[in-house]
Amino acid sequence: QKEVEQNSGPLSVPEGAIASLNCTYSDRGSQSFFWYRQYSGKSPELIMSIYSNGDKEDGRFTAQLNKASQYVSLLIRDSQPSDSATYLCAGAFNTDKLIFGTGTRLQVFP
Amino acid sequence: ETGVTQTPRHLVMGMTNKKSLKCEQHLGHNAMYWYKQSAKKPLELMFVYNFKEQTENNSVPSRFSPECPNSSHLFLHLHTLQPEDSALYLCASSQSGGRDEQYFGPGTRLTVT
Repeated sequence: QKEVEQNSGPLSVPEGAIASLNCTYSDRGSQSFFWYRQYSGKSPELIMSIYSNGDKEDGRFTAQLNKASQYVSLLIRDSQPSDSATYLCAGAFNTDKLIFGTGTRLQVFP
Repeated sequence: ETGVTQTPRHLVMGMTNKKSLKCEQHLGHNAMYWYKQSAKKPLELMFVYNFKEQTENNSVPSRFSPECPNSSHLFLHLHTLQPEDSALYLCASSQSGGRDEQYFGPGTRLTVT
């Protein structure tokens, strides 16, 4: 059973701090990973994709993938209250679908 | 229209009604998906279509019936639903199969009374 696991949170960070969201997975045959942001009552929005080991930066977001340790993380620098949402990690594992984690709720307080 | 659109955005139906959800993608993608998201539960994949062919049915009850007439359109036909089917139904699309980025529509909030 391929699984993607996330801590449900909430993760509370002060405004301006770095928020670190983590995700582990069970299948070494992973191909690629995605981070989605989902505001309450809204649909998931793709914010980052990562396909190879290492870091990938896009603005205030950095995705990190470590295939040997089977984890992927998302760092949000200079966190803003508008970043408060649920962050979903998803992985592609040689199948015709993505496997989603349960999501981590992030709260950024002023 | 851009991205992935879904209609209606909100739907209230009785247990004996028949209704349909519609999804359209304007991204030139070849794969489309239906997901169910219930309150405080993770995303549940329901169906996958790749090049109009159904490639995944995740043990979904027969009261949910998908239809994919072409790569741009996806329907979910609903009949004799149960109150526990009340949820946010999300459509997504990707370039091809599951390894690609998926883009979601805004969802249909379904309430079964």
